[in-house]
Amino acid sequence: DTAVSQTPKYLVTQMGNDKSIKCEQNLGHDTMYWYKQDSKKFLKIMFSYNNKELIINETVPNRFSPKSPDKAHLNLHINSLELGDSAVYFCASSDPSGNLQETQYFGPGTRLLVL
Amino acid sequence: SQQGEEDPQALSIQEGENATMNCSYKTSINNLQWYRQNSGRGLVHLILIRSNEREKHSGRLRVTLDTSKKSSSLLITASRAADTASYFCATDWNNDMRFGAGTRLTVKP
Repeated sequence: DTAVSQTPKYLVTQMGNDKSIKCEQNLGHDTMYWYKQDSKKFLKIMFSYNNKELIINETVPNRFSPKSPDKAHLNLHINSLELGDSAVYFCASSDPSGNLQETQYFGPGTRLLVL
Repeated sequence: SQQGEEDPQALSIQEGENATMNCSYKTSINNLQWYRQNSGRGLVHLILIRSNEREKHSGRLRVTLDTSKKSSSLLITASRAADTASYFCATDWNNDMRFGAGTRLTVKP
């Protein structure tokens, strides 16, 4: 039973296309995140949702739009893909109200390659 | 994607004291990173140490890496109340990142 799952694991696509990455968590957590791993391997927060509401929106292009149909899902839609969008994207979830406060559980990552 | 174990799970100290957190992992690594998370926020990158490095400093932070023991430690010197946060280690092996469960640090004024 995977706690945080992402699909697809690998995504290769042409510049200009629109694509979505899905994330699901079965931990009952209220908060979910999207991170982008940059060329230096650092993770940078992109978005955070709490109970389907956006609470963190860092400076990312408008082409990136998160969508949370329910608190167990946070999908990332990217319009008009550019070469520079190639990266690994990680989804995570946490439950600040739990005993292990703010422990983040990460998905396996989605490797996006834009050609 | 969890693989590391942080030790301790929770740490409470007085302002001015040093805080040491440990991370153990199971696989080979290219690098190991430490992150901080403030309440309600996402992760913030602190420091990266490569597999061929043994020690790295950044301000009040000191990170050590022992690949033979598959462990790393994060030392925060002269702690401040603002250092209160959760700290995570993450290992990177051939673009596969794995995270520990985190240490919750509380620094009392």
